Amino acid sequence: DQQVKQNSPSLSVQEGRISILNCDYTNSMFDYFLWYKKYPAEGPTFLISISSIKDKNEDGRFTVFLNKSAKHLSLHIVPSQPGDSAVYFCAASGLGGNEKLTFGTGTRLTIIP
Amino acid sequence: ETGVTQTPRHLVMGMTNKKSLKCEQHLGHNAMYWYKQSAKKPLELMFVYNFKEQTENNSVPSRFSPECPNSSHLFLHLHTLQPEDSALYLCASSQVGRKETQYFGPGTRLLVL
Repeated sequence: DQQVKQNSPSLSVQEGRISILNCDYTNSMFDYFLWYKKYPAEGPTFLISISSIKDKNEDGRFTVFLNKSAKHLSLHIVPSQPGDSAVYFCAASGLGGNEKLTFGTGTRLTIIP
Repeated sequence: ETGVTQTPRHLVMGMTNKKSLKCEQHLGHNAMYWYKQSAKKPLELMFVYNFKEQTENNSVPSRFSPECPNSSHLFLHLHTLQPEDSALYLCASSQVGRKETQYFGPGTRLLVL
């Protein structure tokens, strides 16, 4: 049973436009959410996170929105750049140092120049 | 060397072989992780080591045997694997209690024939 779902395996966006990546979760005990970015032949790198006490967190071109009632989060990238082409993983955990991360299957984002 | 390194990057082995994957982190972290990523599946946590002590074994078959001789090195010993064990094996490290800022290595692509 997949507790973190990324239903879009791929997404193509024109350079300069907004990219929106979506993630749904089923476990109501999750209260910390992260996005990782992965280039080919490299490991995932941490991008941005949000805790359940917030509904929005922004870092430069990247913004994560959390809708707890819908158990949904999204990552917005604006404006999209060619270097943003990568696989994006959503992950979730409970608060606390030893809670493990549960990952989604990833969405491959392609930015079209 | 910087960050998290993994060797080998690619490995092909028969079901009767014994091989080992190596991970080394140069970040001064004290927690290390093994993940498995199969095609079209989420990253699955396999093992966690905090301060060289194993704190999590996520129901991993005994044909995978981890070893953590010190906080900088992590091994995954493989024996009598099955073709379905073919996957990308990722190592990560972090400070204990800071799982969100896990730094990943590039992974070892394993093919079991």
